[in-house]
Amino acid sequence: GAGVSQSPRYKVAKRGQDVALRCDPISGHVSLFWYQQALGQGPEFLTYFQNEAQLDKSGLPSDRFFAERPEGSVSTLKIQRTQQEDSAVYLCASSYRTTFYGYTFGSGTRLTVV
Amino acid sequence: DQQVKQNSPSLSVQEGRISILNCDYTNSMFDYFLWYKKYPAEGPTFLISISSIKDKNEDGRFTVFLNKSAKHLSLHIVPSQPGDSAVYFCAARKQGAQKLVFGQGTRLTINP
Repeated sequence: GAGVSQSPRYKVAKRGQDVALRCDPISGHVSLFWYQQALGQGPEFLTYFQNEAQLDKSGLPSDRFFAERPEGSVSTLKIQRTQQEDSAVYLCASSYRTTFYGYTFGSGTRLTVV
Repeated sequence: DQQVKQNSPSLSVQEGRISILNCDYTNSMFDYFLWYKKYPAEGPTFLISISSIKDKNEDGRFTVFLNKSAKHLSLHIVPSQPGDSAVYFCAARKQGAQKLVFGQGTRLTINP
C-alpha cells in the first residue's frame, strides 16, 4: 500500500481483556517497529523486526506484551490481560532498509482500557 | 531517565516570524538526530535530520542546528506558516542502533 496501515484505529478494552493490534507496513519494507505513545509524551520504543526476526524487544514493558511478524510482512502486537496503564496510542513504523534511514509511521491505534 | 528533553511544552508564534524549537540530550552516544511533525490523529512525519558530524542542515524553510558540546539542537522555521501548527518531536539515535529515543514534544501554534 501507499503508507503504513494500522487497525483498528480505536479500541476500547475492558481491564483484563486481551487485544491484538495489526500493522501492515509499506510493501517491501524490511524493518518494522512498534512504539507506544502515552498521552502528552513522545513515542517510546517497544520492539523491532527485520523481516520475520525480532531483533530487539527491549522496550516491551512486561511479559503481557507480545509481538510477531511471522511472514516478514504484517505484524501483530498482542497485549494480554490489559491494564489501565496500557492505555496509549500504539504506533507502527516501517523502513525499506536494514541500516538506519529513518522510518515512516502509521496513524496508530488508540487503545483505551476501562 | 529522560535522555531527550524538550522543555517547552508549547510555543506560540505569529505568522511570518521565525519559530525556534529546542531540544536537549544527555547521551553522548547519540550520533543522529531527527525532527518529526505530528498532526492530531496522524502518525509522526519526518521533517529534517542531522548527523553528529555536522552542525547545520537546511531544507527549505527548515534548518536544524546541532551544538554537540552543549548537547543541544534546535529547529528553526522561517517564515512560519499556519500549516506549521502541530506537535514537533525531537528524536535521537545511538550509533548502530535502529530505535529512536523521542522527546516529549512541543506544540507549535502559528497565529495569523
